[in-house]
Amino acid sequence: EVQLVQSGPEVKKPGESLNISCQGSGSIFTNYWVGWVRQMPGKGLEWMGMIYPDDSDTRYSPSFRGRVTISADRSIDTLYLQWSSLQASDTAIYFCARHADYLNWYFDLWGRGTLVTVSS
Amino acid sequence: QSVLTQPPSASGTPGQRITISCSGSRSNIGTNTVSWYQQLSGTAPKLLINRNTQRPAGVPARFSGSKSGTSASLAISGLQSEDEADYYCAAWDDSLNGPYVFGTGTTVTVL
Repeated sequence: EVQLVQSGPEVKKPGESLNISCQGSGSIFTNYWVGWVRQMPGKGLEWMGMIYPDDSDTRYSPSFRGRVTISADRSIDTLYLQWSSLQASDTAIYFCARHADYLNWYFDLWGRGTLVTVSS
Repeated sequence: QSVLTQPPSASGTPGQRITISCSGSRSNIGTNTVSWYQQLSGTAPKLLINRNTQRPAGVPARFSGSKSGTSASLAISGLQSEDEADYYCAAWDDSLNGPYVFGTGTTVTVL
């Protein structure tokens, strides 16, 4: 079954670093852009950025550029979202999702989400 | 912060037809295709409509999308209780807001 499997929930303190992952089954990243979407508690969806795992070309939303790092390891079909210093406002569910094509850009495949809680 | 504006809520009784609007600008909806996502409570979003009007396999025909100028709409005909969810539009944005933007989201309640 084609799916995106995300890492488990995380509880961190402000200032700590964090790396969450999203692994694709099979070669579902080949020739696709894959992105991250944030959903803060009780709020809507926010597109954070995307990466083309085949060459690691990366694009960010202006709202998230410099605050997170998106990377990928093509050899194990895994996508990463990294923070160097978490803030309480980073508390949210983070979804990885695959952009279906680079003309229409809709997401055709989603992970189940990773809950990140940042609290002192 | 979102550049695509949706009404916060919409409601209807079972069997009714409701529509959800998504208002954007030339740099997003005016130039690029629109997709719609359904998010049931506590779950990941699911693709409902792509390329303005196309339903992926498995999406019921009671869901339909349209686009005109810088606005798009999602219609749900024959509303059912299982349609109670949050709905989001989205599009590529060619301006500095992008590259990809979601709508503000609409909560649909089945009365």
